[in-house]
Amino acid sequence: SYELTQPSSVSVSPGQTARITCSGDVLAKKYARWFQQKPGQAPVLVIYKDSERPSGIPERFSGSSSGTTVTLTISGAQVDDEADYYCYSAADNNRVFGGGTKLTVL
Amino acid sequence: QVQLVQSGSELKKPGASVKVSCKASGYTFTNYGMNWVRQAPGQGLEWMGWINTNTGNPTYAQDFTGRFVFSLDTSVSTAYLQISSLKAEDTAVYYCAGEDFDLWGRGTLVTVSS
Repeated sequence: SYELTQPSSVSVSPGQTARITCSGDVLAKKYARWFQQKPGQAPVLVIYKDSERPSGIPERFSGSSSGTTVTLTISGAQVDDEADYYCYSAADNNRVFGGGTKLTVL
Repeated sequence: QVQLVQSGSELKKPGASVKVSCKASGYTFTNYGMNWVRQAPGQGLEWMGWINTNTGNPTYAQDFTGRFVFSLDTSVSTAYLQISSLKAEDTAVYYCAGEDFDLWGRGTLVTVSS
């Protein structure tokens, strides 16, 4: 098995850029996905293949990758972006989520 | 529209079993695998495994072998998660999610309490 490591929390003011990192050896070889989860709701895919954005996801969400670290960037974060964010990756038949990062926008 | 509809909340006693359903609509069920994800209260997401909806072959994550069973009824485009010998620590929201995680059910809360 393998692990993905995220900071437990990130805090920004509205309009600032939020960056959430995710680290793990598997990320050097495999793509990552990012999910947003608001309280009481199911997760929503916001980034796939490290940097691709599904239709309907605002352009302020972007992803990047460098070595064993991927980063979710929210440019001009809004209060509505306050949520838990999870990275995810898969290798062979093993799939894992990061521990999650609580993003506070205030 | 494309959606996954899960069964309602369950309250079970320790030692009992529970079967959670996930009905797909709006797409060809057997074209995309189904993942199961657990989220304990206040905790993160845990991938439990997935089932190939074309072959019925399940794959379980290391922590979800033995008491957890994935199954299908392709005639009604539905995937199932059955948990036996329930323990208090099985209390969680259980999600089904499509193969690429771009489609999720709303989750089923399973509470195990005496």
